[in-house]
Amino acid sequence: GAVVSQHPSWVICKSGTSVKIECRSLDFQATTMFWYRQFPKQSLMLMATSNEGSKATYEQGVEKDKFLINHASLTLSTLTVTSAHPEDSSFYICSATQFNEQFFGPGTRLTVL
Amino acid sequence: EDQVTQSPEALRLQEGESSSLNCSYTVSGLRGLFWYRQDPGKGPEFLFTLYSAGEEKEKERLKATLTKKESFLHITAPKPEDSATYLCAVQEGTSYDKVIFGPGTSLSVIP
Repeated sequence: GAVVSQHPSWVICKSGTSVKIECRSLDFQATTMFWYRQFPKQSLMLMATSNEGSKATYEQGVEKDKFLINHASLTLSTLTVTSAHPEDSSFYICSATQFNEQFFGPGTRLTVL
Repeated sequence: EDQVTQSPEALRLQEGESSSLNCSYTVSGLRGLFWYRQDPGKGPEFLFTLYSAGEEKEKERLKATLTKKESFLHITAPKPEDSATYLCAVQEGTSYDKVIFGPGTSLSVIP
């Protein structure tokens, strides 16, 4: 199957700082990527749909000014958590679609102190 | 409103004890139903895609089936390494690639 990578796999930051997470499709091109967050023992919650060359589409309740998404190329999407606070601590997962099947990255564990 | 539910929430099986996980959905026109396996601290791993009622797919000890209202993931003679959370997701007819995830079933297989 298709391979999706994320970097970093984990990050700890101080409250008020910004954190950038990268999502790459390694062996295919993805015009659409998705960003999810997952709290402990809960399912994945879609945050936004990232479209190459255009603005991301955010789900209801997700602050677009706080979670900045950039999809600069067909293999790279980035999620920047701006002015992070402890409540932003979570597991962030990206996915990319190939032939109508979504393949997920390994996730990034964000801890905001 | 599109919805995906899964049952049971948690399942504990003895090694070799076969069982089934359920995924029920209400969407306006199913485009595809997906099963994933997720291990703790990792991203979901793709297992199956089902597109139409009556379709079945198999992979090792897993078999996925689909009806018009639900999907089952059958696990035959499970082993401890099958322990994981199994997620179901559905793609609605007009949502292009976007999918809706169910809450998952946490499976524990005891040696």
